[in-house]
Amino acid sequence: AQKITQTQPGMFVQEKEAVTLDCTYDTSDQSYGLFWYKQPSSGEMIFLIYQGSYDEQNATEGRYSLNFQKARKSANLVISASQLGDSAMYFCAMREGRSNDMRFGAGTRLTVKP
Amino acid sequence: DAGVTQSPTHLIKTRGQQVTLRCSPKSGHDTVSWYQQALGQGPQFIFQYYEEEERQRGNFPDRFSGHQFPNYSSELNVNALLLGDSALYLCASSLDTTGYTDTQYFGPGTRLTVL
Repeated sequence: AQKITQTQPGMFVQEKEAVTLDCTYDTSDQSYGLFWYKQPSSGEMIFLIYQGSYDEQNATEGRYSLNFQKARKSANLVISASQLGDSAMYFCAMREGRSNDMRFGAGTRLTVKP
Repeated sequence: DAGVTQSPTHLIKTRGQQVTLRCSPKSGHDTVSWYQQALGQGPQFIFQYYEEEERQRGNFPDRFSGHQFPNYSSELNVNALLLGDSALYLCASSLDTTGYTDTQYFGPGTRLTVL
């Protein structure tokens, strides 16, 4: 069963505007972690932000914030003030309980227009 | 602070051959995970090594094997290569604490092409 769903294969955003990348997940565990990674064309996966299932506040890291809606099982990434360097693939991922494997979604390709 | 390093960067092999990929974890990390990323897809978990033992394995055949050394570095071996093994192989390291809160940091990957 698909654990992580990213429904937007591609997104476009104007430079300096904000953009939201969608992610929904499926788990029966109470304890889990949600992660967002950025993958530029070079291939390296760059960690952006983490949200734990018990965290009551949405995570923020600089221009990145995670809109965590536990009841809806969604963990959307918000990028504020987009920059040309933000153009990349973005992956949502989840680790459940004591599991050691991280499940990834199919990714969203973000293109920032000047 | 050295990040995760992988070698080689690119590799071309023919069907039936064997390949070894190498990974050095981020300084202070003790756990190494390997992922396979086919073109246009998200990474798929192969296995994780901790304390020189395979701790968990994904849905990959026994042709995929690994090893972790006392200095925490790791190798991924793939035997009897198939065309379908062509992919980007990503190594990720983490510090083992509570499991689901551990952030994995990735290396630049090794792009394997099987002809």
